[in-house]
Amino acid sequence: AQSVAQPEDQVNVAEGNPLTVKCTYSVSGNPYLFWYVQYPNRGLQFLLKYITGDNLVKGSYGFEAEFNKSQTSFHLKKPSALVSDSALYFCAVRPSGGSYIPTFGRGTSLIVHP
Amino acid sequence: GAGVSQSPSNKVTEKGKDVELRCDPISGHTALYWYRQRLGQGLEFLIYFQGNSAPDKSGLPSDRFSAERTGESVSTLTIQRTQQEDSAVYLCASSGAGYYEQYFGPGTRLTVT
Repeated sequence: AQSVAQPEDQVNVAEGNPLTVKCTYSVSGNPYLFWYVQYPNRGLQFLLKYITGDNLVKGSYGFEAEFNKSQTSFHLKKPSALVSDSALYFCAVRPSGGSYIPTFGRGTSLIVHP
Repeated sequence: GAGVSQSPSNKVTEKGKDVELRCDPISGHTALYWYRQRLGQGLEFLIYFQGNSAPDKSGLPSDRFSAERTGESVSTLTIQRTQQEDSAVYLCASSGAGYYEQYFGPGTRLTVT
């Protein structure tokens, strides 16, 4: 069975400071990993993915994430947070082979203070 | 191009009534997913369609829930005899070649009174 843990329900950061939203996963075989963002009263929006290759992946809006196989982690990062980054962030995983149904984490609320 | 669309955006219904929710995926996307998101919670997988294959219904919470998809286009999620615990946002997503990232619709907010 596959699973995702987002250990923080909420992350608070000051505008201009770096931000990290944590994600760890469990899956059989090699993982496909994803981050999505959900703004209030909106559907989820794809941010970035790790499929293969370089462990550091870059995505939309200046976000990036680092795949760490030994720690089974895929933390989302941004060097300088904006107030407009405040939203709900979801990490998701599925195996590279087998099921095409990803498992989502419970989400982390990111609050960026002016 | 056009994204995933869902209708209605909001639905208020009385307990015991049936409801039908609609999803229009991105054109050409063969994979379609339905999820339920209760207030303040994560995504709960409901059902997955892939082309003309039999759908994966493993996430449907009860036999009151059913879904259909016409070929590789529109899908409808039907909830019969609605209960208050069915109140949630129902999200639809589609994926294209490679079935990597999903593209989500804006959701249908269902309120059962």
